[in-house]
Amino acid sequence: DQQVKQNSPSLSVQEGRISILNCDYTNSMFDYFLWYKKYPAEGPTFLISISSIKDKNEDGRFTVFLNKSAKHLSLHIVPSQPGDSAVYFCAASEQGGSEKLVFGKGTKLTVNP
Amino acid sequence: ETGVTQTPRHLVMGMTNKKSLKCEQHLGHNAMYWYKQSAKKPLELMFVYNFKEQTENNSVPSRFSPECPNSSHLFLHLHTLQPEDSALYLCASSQAFSEYEQFFGPGTRLTVL
Repeated sequence: DQQVKQNSPSLSVQEGRISILNCDYTNSMFDYFLWYKKYPAEGPTFLISISSIKDKNEDGRFTVFLNKSAKHLSLHIVPSQPGDSAVYFCAASEQGGSEKLVFGKGTKLTVNP
Repeated sequence: ETGVTQTPRHLVMGMTNKKSLKCEQHLGHNAMYWYKQSAKKPLELMFVYNFKEQTENNSVPSRFSPECPNSSHLFLHLHTLQPEDSALYLCASSQAFSEYEQFFGPGTRLTVL
């Protein structure tokens, strides 16, 4: 059973607009969440993270929001740029556990010029 | 070389072959990981090494055999694989096992005929 779910396999957005990527999780013990970005033929690269003690973390054009009660997090990219076109993976980890990262299947974002 | 490198980038092998995947990290990290990414599935953690000691074996079949001779190098030895083992195999490293941010290599695309 998937503990981290990214229910949208793909998303298409116009350049300059906001991209919102969603992620849901089922394990209430998860307390640290990360977003990774992956270009074709490259490994995933870390983008931004958030601890469960926060509900928002911002880094430039990227903001991650966490709603613990809903077990939901989202990544906002604004303004979106064509270079943001990639697959975005949500990952979660459990404090005091094995610190394993549990990944979602990913969402392919396409930003159209 | 910087970051995490993996060789070969592509590998085609028969079910009776023996091959090895190599990963090297140039980041001074102490923890290294093998992940498997099959089509339309999340990244699956296979093995974790912390200070050259295997700390995690995520129920991986014995036809996959990891080796970590030192903190900078990680191998995955492959023997009598099945076609369903065809996938992208990603290596990652982190400063320590408890560090959530992992740095990934570009992966080895494996095809088992």
